[in-house]
Amino acid sequence: DTGVSQDPRHKITKRGQNVTFRCDPISEHNRLYWYRQTLGQGPEFLTYFQNEAQLEKSRLLSDRFSAERPKGSFSTLEIQRTEQGDSAMYLCASSLAEGFGEKLFFGSGTQLSVL
Amino acid sequence: GQSLEQPSEVTAVEGAIVQINCTYQTSGFYGLSWYQQHDGGAPTFLSYNALDGLEETGRFSSFLSRSDSYGYLLLQELQMKDSASYFCAVTPQGYSTLTFGKGTMLLVSP
Repeated sequence: DTGVSQDPRHKITKRGQNVTFRCDPISEHNRLYWYRQTLGQGPEFLTYFQNEAQLEKSRLLSDRFSAERPKGSFSTLEIQRTEQGDSAMYLCASSLAEGFGEKLFFGSGTQLSVL
Repeated sequence: GQSLEQPSEVTAVEGAIVQINCTYQTSGFYGLSWYQQHDGGAPTFLSYNALDGLEETGRFSSFLSRSDSYGYLLLQELQMKDSASYFCAVTPQGYSTLTFGKGTMLLVSP
């Protein structure tokens, strides 16, 4: 069990550019979540997969954001036409398909800075 | 919708006991979870209360009272390494995803 890994750890980009982040969950976990966290706030839910199916998506999520989990293993989160307000820590988490999503294992996140 | 309220900061000394409260307004949820996050680190799961009452895990205990819309995390025998942010979170009924509070920063001093 190597834990949830995210890549890259840091990303600096210019406004208007596209960025893509990758998440590798714990291997036996079929649920995968993306959250966003800004300084002094709790993690904010973005989207959730069970296996390769995207089951939930935040109503606050702009259509500039898209996520995939093509084979039910790793996931990517893409942000198109980045804005300064997108600057945040993007956290990925995974869990077993049991319970009500209460026990998540988080990665260390990707810190995005949009200049 | 869901709303969880926590104090923004709590301070305590080593060896003491501290209680971090979480009050919520939600139309329904499956249970109350608690997470710890050190500065620059990933949130890590601490405990979960599906039912009313106290759950104990070593130095940490968590409590839930649905009738009072209230829960708390109790940390005993505080250590310097307990300095971190603590988040309460709920899974709203009909969903499989956590909604987090804004967190409480715990500062433990010698």
